Amino acid sequence: EVQLVESGGGLVNPGGSLRLSCAASESIFSHAWLTWVRQAPGKGLEWVGRIKSKAAGGAIDYAAPVKGRFTISRDDSLDTMYLQMNSLKTEDAAIYYCTWDHYYGDSSNYYVSDYWGQGTLVTVSS
Amino acid sequence: DIQMTQSPSSLSASVGDRVTITCRASQSISNYLNWYQQKPGKAPKLLIFGASSLQSGVPSRFSGRGSGTDFSLTISNLQPEDFATYYCQQTYRTPPYTFGQGTKLEI
Repeated sequence: EVQLVESGGGLVNPGGSLRLSCAASESIFSHAWLTWVRQAPGKGLEWVGRIKSKAAGGAIDYAAPVKGRFTISRDDSLDTMYLQMNSLKTEDAAIYYCTWDHYYGDSSNYYVSDYWGQGTLVTVSS
Repeated sequence: DIQMTQSPSSLSASVGDRVTITCRASQSISNYLNWYQQKPGKAPKLLIFGASSLQSGVPSRFSGRGSGTDFSLTISNLQPEDFATYYCQQTYRTPPYTFGQGTKLEI
């Protein structure tokens, strides 16, 4: 079974930067489509962004609140995805989860996040 | 972006009850709707995809229905382990794949 481990969280000042990592246990990582989801303390889930596999074109999509400040990348040789977060705001404080996604269904057309890491906590405060 | 609105935001029930959570999309999303369960301190877990298809290993007391803009998750014969927060998520066409705000199911 796929195991995902996030790391890199911590305390950062507003306006600062942080890079999160998501390491996977599977050697087929290069085929994975991966997503970052965050959850502010006591709040709901918020979709942050997704990166497709290089074989699928490697396209990256972002949610509006993070576009232009956050960058998703991947290093398939290290089975790792990254989230570079710049110009951090207090509202970016959250647990950040990475997910490994798949298409389900008879026609493989239902997109799901079926494997989740345990999350890493980002605190933005002066 | 497509907005997802869940109701209620919280719900009290007892073991053995049947409860229904609703989720409404701001535009038609066909049946590209997932449901997740999250317990305190844990990552979410996929329950249902395609609005009504049960993920492998999920008990049959969970069921989903709907299409277009209106969806529901029903849990029959509530068990103690079902008390959690539930989220809907739309995955229609292109990202962002937005979540509902969540429904906390309490004893």
